[in-house]
Amino acid sequence: DAGVTQSPTHLIKTRGQQVTLRCSPISGHKSVSWYQQVLGQGPQFIFQYYEKEERGRGNFPDRFSARQFPNYSSELNVNALLLGDSALYLCASSRTSDQETQYFGPGTRLLVL
Amino acid sequence: SQQGEEDPQALSIQEGENATMNCSYKTSINNLQWYRQNSGRGLVHLILIRSNEREKHSGRLRVTLDTSKKSSSLLITASRAADTASYFCATDVPDRGSTLGRLYFGRGTQLTVWP
Repeated sequence: DAGVTQSPTHLIKTRGQQVTLRCSPISGHKSVSWYQQVLGQGPQFIFQYYEKEERGRGNFPDRFSARQFPNYSSELNVNALLLGDSALYLCASSRTSDQETQYFGPGTRLLVL
Repeated sequence: SQQGEEDPQALSIQEGENATMNCSYKTSINNLQWYRQNSGRGLVHLILIRSNEREKHSGRLRVTLDTSKKSSSLLITASRAADTASYFCATDVPDRGSTLGRLYFGRGTQLTVWP
């Protein structure tokens, strides 16, 4: 089975622009989570979606939004980009039940100039 | 604030030696997971230990969990240069009654294994 895939791999934007990041979970996985990893830090939880509904949200501003599609893929949108949004954005998928291993994709590296 | 904190922040050893990394956390958990990350790439899952388990093994990895002390340790035996990476512990924390947890990561331990 293919792992979690993310696109694009790298992205350069300027302040004030908007960006959309995409994630395809492992086949059969219905839960998708998004994390932001700033250089030198551990990943921080942004969103969790399960069965197309938002099930959790981290401490991020409303500029961050996400959605999950019927095929369980997901998009993360960030509006009005700031320099501080420069980070590695990671997507993770897991199966339906709790206490499940989360499998991470390779990430999208976003640079905001 | 981040839930888990790894110790030490950096660890440098020779090939063949054992590496031990520790993790402390603050609240009750569903489970604790250890991940490896090479050069800022995606996270690779290593092992998951549930809150009712005390020790788990996977190949050269041994993980312990002490819920009374809210701590975990990861032992890598007979380390290799290829083990050089950042290692993160992540706690799966229940969220407002939901059975789906969210992962809280520490800052990681940077392990360097010299040939």
